[in-house]
Amino acid sequence: RKEVEQDPGPFNVPEGATVAFNCTYSNSASQSFFWYRQDCRKEPKLLMSVYSSGNEDGRFTAQLNRASQYISLLIRDSKLSDSATYLCVVPLGGSYIPTFGRGTSLIVHP
Amino acid sequence: EAQVTQNPRYLITVTGKKLTVTCSQNMNHEYMSWYRQDPGLGLRQIYYSMNVEVTDKGDVPEGYKVSRKEKRNFPLILESPSPNQTSLYFCASSKTPGTAYEQYFGPGTRLTVT
Repeated sequence: RKEVEQDPGPFNVPEGATVAFNCTYSNSASQSFFWYRQDCRKEPKLLMSVYSSGNEDGRFTAQLNRASQYISLLIRDSKLSDSATYLCVVPLGGSYIPTFGRGTSLIVHP
Repeated sequence: EAQVTQNPRYLITVTGKKLTVTCSQNMNHEYMSWYRQDPGLGLRQIYYSMNVEVTDKGDVPEGYKVSRKEKRNFPLILESPSPNQTSLYFCASSKTPGTAYEQYFGPGTRLTVT
């Protein structure tokens, strides 16, 4: 089983829709997780962190399901500007090598 | 402005011609790293550095070298580039090794080796 897995998509949704992505991981010892956003041909940017209590920032909610070993990112009221690739990052085994998922592509259309 | 800079942004070179991609950050960060991003493979770490003179291999270090002589700079060296090193390269930094997963990325360097 790959260590970090994401559905590549693309997820095509209309403006205003609610969309959710999952990221599954194989290392159950992880204490914190992260979501990054990457626009086409640009650098990844940290979107939000996810701890056991979850995290909410405006229209974005990130949650952790430790029992099933996945994290989720929920985007409410999607905007055209949310179109991007969303990467999850899982620390594995206490190392200093972040493991990135391959990303989920989101396309928000008018 | 807090930032990570990389140079050059675009580079086309030939097999075997040594090259260096520079990376600099102005945030006094201890941790710096290099990634390559390839279609279908995602971001993979090449090397990382926890502080000056401390570097270590990431997931895909073969064919690359790094050095960390100053805190702000972390150049990536390709001694003898080959076509399979054609990729999009990102430098990144974070405040400490403990925050290695909360990184600031540079704008990327698109390298083509013919």
